[in-house]
Amino acid sequence: RKEVEQDPGPFNVPEGATVAFNCTYSNSASQSFFWYRQDCRKEPKLLMSVYSSGNEDGRFTAQLNRASQYISLLIRDSKLSDSATYLCVATPNFGNEKLTFGTGTRLTIIP
Amino acid sequence: DVKVTQSSRYLVKRTGEKVFLECVQDMDHENMFWYRQDPGLGLRLIYFSYDVKMKEKGDIPEGYSVSREKKERFSLILESASTNQTSMYLCASSRTPPAEQYFGPGTRLTVT
Repeated sequence: RKEVEQDPGPFNVPEGATVAFNCTYSNSASQSFFWYRQDCRKEPKLLMSVYSSGNEDGRFTAQLNRASQYISLLIRDSKLSDSATYLCVATPNFGNEKLTFGTGTRLTIIP
Repeated sequence: DVKVTQSSRYLVKRTGEKVFLECVQDMDHENMFWYRQDPGLGLRLIYFSYDVKMKEKGDIPEGYSVSREKKERFSLILESASTNQTSMYLCASSRTPPAEQYFGPGTRLTVT
C-alpha cells in the first residue's frame, strides 16, 4: 500500500463549481501535512499547510481527519487558473525533514 | 524570494556516461533534496541532506550518489547512466524544522 494515496483523476469541473478531493495516508504517526500545486511542466509549489483544526485561504479549504487518516482540499468558485495537479504531502514525524508525496490529482477547469 | 536553480533544464546523455546534476539554493536552507518524477509514480525521493557533508538515502537511491560540500549546493551523480534513469529530476530545499520545500525548475534527463 502506498504511504500517501490520491485519486489521479482527471477531474473535469466547470468554471465556478466547487470541487473537493481527498488523500489518504497510511502512517498514523504522520504529523505534518501539505497540499502542493504543480502546473504542467513546472515545479511543485506549496499551496497550503493542513492544520489539525483545518484552515482556509480564500477559496481554498484544507481539512485533516486523523481518525480516518485522510486530508481533503476544497476549492470553491473554481477558476480556469486552478487547472493543475494537486499533490498531497505527509511527513512521518516532527523533526524529520523527509516529505512523502502522493502521485497527484489532476484538475481541469472547463470554461 | 527563495530561489533554487538547477544546472540544466534539458540533458541528453548516453548509456554508461557519468552524469552530474547541480542544484544551488540562495536562502541558507539546511536541508536539500533530490527527487525524480515519473508519470504515474509521482515524486520519489532519491537522497537528501540535512547539513554539509551529510546525506541520507531516500526511497530509491540505487544507481545514484550525492555530494554536499557547501551548504548552498547539492549535486546528484549518476555513476553510469542507464535508460531507466530517463526522468525529470527535481531539487528542493527547506529550513529546519519541517517546513515548505522550495523546488527548482527541474532537469529533464534523457539517457539513450
